[in-house]
Amino acid sequence: GAVVSQHPSRVICKSGTSVKIECRSLDFQATTMFWYRQFPKQSLMLMATSNEGSKATYEQGVEKDKFLINHASLTLSTLTVTSAHPEDSSFYICSAGTSGNTGELFFGEGSRLTVL
Amino acid sequence: AQRVTQPEKLLSVFKGAPVELKCNYSYSGSPELFWYVQYSRQRLQLLLRHISRESIKGFTADLNKGETSFHLKKPFAQEEDSAMYYCALSGGSGNTPLVFGKGTRLSVIA
Repeated sequence: GAVVSQHPSRVICKSGTSVKIECRSLDFQATTMFWYRQFPKQSLMLMATSNEGSKATYEQGVEKDKFLINHASLTLSTLTVTSAHPEDSSFYICSAGTSGNTGELFFGEGSRLTVL
Repeated sequence: AQRVTQPEKLLSVFKGAPVELKCNYSYSGSPELFWYVQYSRQRLQLLLRHISRESIKGFTADLNKGETSFHLKKPFAQEEDSAMYYCALSGGSGNTPLVFGKGTRLSVIA
């Protein structure tokens, strides 16, 4: 199956700093990538949809100036958490699909962000 | 509106007992339904999808459009089945996001 890789898997940062998380599709081209957030013992909440070469579409309630998403190539999308605060601490998961595929998405291993 | 409901947060069964994880959905169209599984400290992975009609690790799920359900079943639970299970819905292409239920944690007791 297709492989999606995220980096870093864990990151700890100080409040007020910015953190970048990378999501790569290793063996396929991802025309669309999705960023999810997962709180402890809760489900995955869609944050935004990023399409290669265009602006991301954010879900209601997600601050686009805080969570910057860039999808500059067909194999890489980045999520930057700007001016992070402790409440941004969470598990962030990216997923990717291809236009030729049915609705299946392939998931990265997730990135755990802890803001001190 | 798209919605996936998994009524049980936690399901505990004994090894060898049958398992049924419930999933109901609402969608104004023809959705694709999936079950994803997340084992401890591992990434989310696809378990099965309704269009393939296959059995994976002994699990099956039948899409019931009349009841808008996609329950996951296994006749005999095994300890290694203990995991978090998510039912998910898609509009049908890789360009649309999955909508997830809240998940059910299955615990198989030896």
